[in-house]
Amino acid sequence: SYVLTQSPSVSVAPGQTATITCGGNNIGGKSVHWYQQKPGQAPVVVIYDDIDRPSGIPERFSGSNSVNTATLTISKVEVGDEADYYCQVWDTISDQYVFGSGTEVTVL
Amino acid sequence: QVQLVESGGGLVKPGGSLRLSCAASGFTFRDYYMTWIRQAPGKGLEWVSSISFTGTTMYYADSVKGRFTISRDNAKNSLYLQMNSLRAADTAVYYCARVSTDRGGEFDDWGQGMLVAVSS
Repeated sequence: SYVLTQSPSVSVAPGQTATITCGGNNIGGKSVHWYQQKPGQAPVVVIYDDIDRPSGIPERFSGSNSVNTATLTISKVEVGDEADYYCQVWDTISDQYVFGSGTEVTVL
Repeated sequence: QVQLVESGGGLVKPGGSLRLSCAASGFTFRDYYMTWIRQAPGKGLEWVSSISFTGTTMYYADSVKGRFTISRDNAKNSLYLQMNSLRAADTAVYYCARVSTDRGGEFDDWGQGMLVAVSS
């Protein structure tokens, strides 16, 4: 089955840039979605189809996807961005969704 | 606004069964794929199952295939997950969510989640 690999944690100072990666075999050929989950809350999509941002999501959130790595970038990080972030794809071989293991973003 | 409200969770013994429901409102239910996702305590998100607009096509994670059945009633704006042969590893918060398009789309709205605990 398809596997998505994420680093367990990322630490960033307020105002700096957080980069969260999601590795997968030829992930560049898939549409990647990103979710933010704060403690005790349901996840919220922050990027869909690699680069698109839902209404209400700040422009500070951006995405990219190429070859074997998709990236979620959070610019000018705020304390309120502390959360777990998950990448997700649809695997057309197995007809299943796959989530990455999640990255915990800590704002120092 | 979109609302998804899960119900039917609780404590069940290993080998037992449970049926989760998800009541949808605020959108045209029949126009969307729907899906279930779960999250074990302290763990990450795990996709469980998805269902097509009319309920004719279902998709399952390997971990639940043959034990769980997803279904929907478009007349009642409701999504269901019948869970049989439950195991301790099925203990999780179960979320229902709307799929933005058809299969492959992002989950653009989520319920608040419902805890299912499997324990003797």
